[in-house]
Amino acid sequence: SQQGEEDPQALSIQEGENATMNCSYKTSINNLQWYRQNSGRGLVHLILIRSNEREKHSGRLRVTLDTSKKSSSLLITASRAADTASYFCATAARGAGSYQLTFGKGTKLSVIP
Amino acid sequence: DAGVTQSPTHLIKTRGQQVTLRCSPISGHKSVSWYQQVLGQGPQFIFQYYEKEERGRGNFPDRFSARQFPNYSSELNVNALLLGDSALYLCASSSDDANQPQHFGDGTRLSIL
Repeated sequence: SQQGEEDPQALSIQEGENATMNCSYKTSINNLQWYRQNSGRGLVHLILIRSNEREKHSGRLRVTLDTSKKSSSLLITASRAADTASYFCATAARGAGSYQLTFGKGTKLSVIP
Repeated sequence: DAGVTQSPTHLIKTRGQQVTLRCSPISGHKSVSWYQQVLGQGPQFIFQYYEKEERGRGNFPDRFSARQFPNYSSELNVNALLLGDSALYLCASSSDDANQPQHFGDGTRLSIL
């Protein structure tokens, strides 16, 4: 079963605009990770944020984590056509299940040139 | 360095048959996990292996089994294939640190006729 839920399910923006995707989850986590998937391909890791962190940056990516609300957001600034892909959040539970990633259904991002 | 490699890339089987999928992790990674991704959904955790031992199992029937070899490569076996087993099967490897990302291969696309 999917734990996380991404919002929105689909997002279409113009090149150069910012894209924000949200993720909610249900249980206590060790960390939360964001992945990108181009059509039919494997997942590419974007960023990992630990449960004791609130914000993390990597290039044009900014991730926030609010453990009290069990939610995270991914911001992609100055989007490019090459950012067109599906984006998934995945949570790693605490303890023995910390290697078992639980994914949401994803947000399909389309960046129009 | 080579990433996670999976074989075969595509596979077509009929109901009732058996299939074996293979995965080679990134050099130095001892943990291998398997995920099933049905079209339009996020990946679902099937198994995790570390040092040839099963560390975790998702909510999949006993028709699914896996093993890990001394060189840390892994096989996923599915018996008595059903139409619903049609999916992209993803392998991921990681180091022995739950706060490190998992690295995914491009997957095996399994189609059941």
